[in-house]
Amino acid sequence: DTGVSQDPRHKITKRGQNVTFRCDPISEHNRLYWYRQTLGQGPEFLTYFQNEAQLEKSRLLSDRFSAERPKGSFSTLEIQRTEQGDSAMYLCASSPPGQGWSEQYFGPGTRLTVT
Amino acid sequence: AQSVSQHNHHVILSEAASLELGCNYSYGGTVNLFWYVQYPGQHLQLLLKYFSGDPLVKGIKGFEAEFIKSKFSFNLRKPSVQWSDTAEYFCAVNSFGNEKLTFGTGTRLTIIP
Repeated sequence: DTGVSQDPRHKITKRGQNVTFRCDPISEHNRLYWYRQTLGQGPEFLTYFQNEAQLEKSRLLSDRFSAERPKGSFSTLEIQRTEQGDSAMYLCASSPPGQGWSEQYFGPGTRLTVT
Repeated sequence: AQSVSQHNHHVILSEAASLELGCNYSYGGTVNLFWYVQYPGQHLQLLLKYFSGDPLVKGIKGFEAEFIKSKFSFNLRKPSVQWSDTAEYFCAVNSFGNEKLTFGTGTRLTIIP
């Protein structure tokens, strides 16, 4: 395993449709993060898992967004009833277990375009 | 809430020029500071980090950054840039004990051969 993988890399959807993205972290990384990046901005934190537990969720995150990590390995991010404002790059990152902060390794991202 | 400001949106330099990219953060407590880089077509990757101790930290590829607590700054420097340093650079912060990173808007660096 050479890094965090994300699928799909690109997604074009019509407004109102639901979309789901997948993230596979680096093996043995128990911490997993989702960020969103819009044009001209830095990544913005969405949510964080430690193993299968979702420990933090951004207050900016609409109820239309939901993330899961059922077995503590891969994670999915679902957006329901997509809006044009959801168009962005969705980044996943993972980090290894340990006390304190560990480097977050980022995946290539999924670029979402809502038409 | 914490925030990060990167005032240089696009910097253009010639090879061998010296580089300094500004980063200021807003947070009253203990912070960890980071610089991430994204080369064209590649993932975000960590350049360097500051947790505690010596405020001058060295990272990969000859980059360094200095934490100045009184100025809430963590500027990135490199004495002599190369064409391969063309990339987007993001400053980030997290508060002590907090997992999430707060990023600045990024600085696009273009190196002219």
